[in-house]
Amino acid sequence: QVQLQESGPGLVKPSQTLSLTCTVSGGSISSGSYYWSWIRQPAGKGLEWIGRIYTSGSTNYNPSLKSRVTISVDTSKNQFSLKLSSVTAADTAVYYCAREGPAAAHDYWGQGTLVTVSS
Amino acid sequence: QAGLTQPPSVSKGLRQTATLTCTGNSNNVGNQGAAWLQQHQGHPPKLLSYRNNNRPSGISERFSASRSGNTASLTITGLQPEDEADYYCSAWDSSLSAHWVFGGGTKLTVL
Repeated sequence: QVQLQESGPGLVKPSQTLSLTCTVSGGSISSGSYYWSWIRQPAGKGLEWIGRIYTSGSTNYNPSLKSRVTISVDTSKNQFSLKLSSVTAADTAVYYCAREGPAAAHDYWGQGTLVTVSS
Repeated sequence: QAGLTQPPSVSKGLRQTATLTCTGNSNNVGNQGAAWLQQHQGHPPKLLSYRNNNRPSGISERFSASRSGNTASLTITGLQPEDEADYYCSAWDSSLSAHWVFGGGTKLTVL
C-alpha cells in the first residue's frame, strides 16, 4: 500500500519561499508510470493543482503559478519536493502531495499539511 | 485558466439518488474524461472513479460515473449518511499549457 507524507514548515513569512517535501513509502517513487503532484486547498475552498513531476524529472505546472513554482524529485530518498517563491497570504492553504497513476487520476494522497503565510 | 463547473450544493433524502454534474470543454472533460473525488471534512480527497466510470478497488457500486460531451456526471444511489461530503471532479487539460483542472466542488447534503 503506497503512502505519502508531507513535511515542512507550517509558517512562512510573506515574500519568502515555501518549501515542502513528500516522502513516499510502500513502493519506489521511480517504479511504474507515475506522476507525482502537489495540490493545495485554502480553508473552506476547493482544490487547486500546483504541478507534477515524472521520475525522469519532466514537469508540468499550473499556468497561474508557473513563474513561482519548482518541483523536484530525489529518487534516492523516495521523495519529491515543492518550492513556491514570493508567497503571500493568498498562498495559505493545506498542501497535499498525491500520486497520479496511468489511469489519469490522483489515486493516493497524503494527509495534507497546513502552511500559513504570515509575518 | 478556467476550472470545471460544478453546482455548489445538492440536497437529497436518505436512500434517494443524487446526480452531480461537472462541465468542462473539449480540451479536458470532452477529451480525457473526468475523475471524481470525495472529501469528508478534515480528510484528504479519496478517488471514487476515473476515466468516466472506472472504480478503484473498494469503492461501492453505488457510485457510478458517466460522460456526455463536455459534461461528466456522478450518480450516487441509495444515499447513506456517510455520503454527505464534498465531491470534486478533475480532468487533464490538453491545451497548450497542459495541466490538471478541478471543479469548485459540490457539497452533498443527505437529509
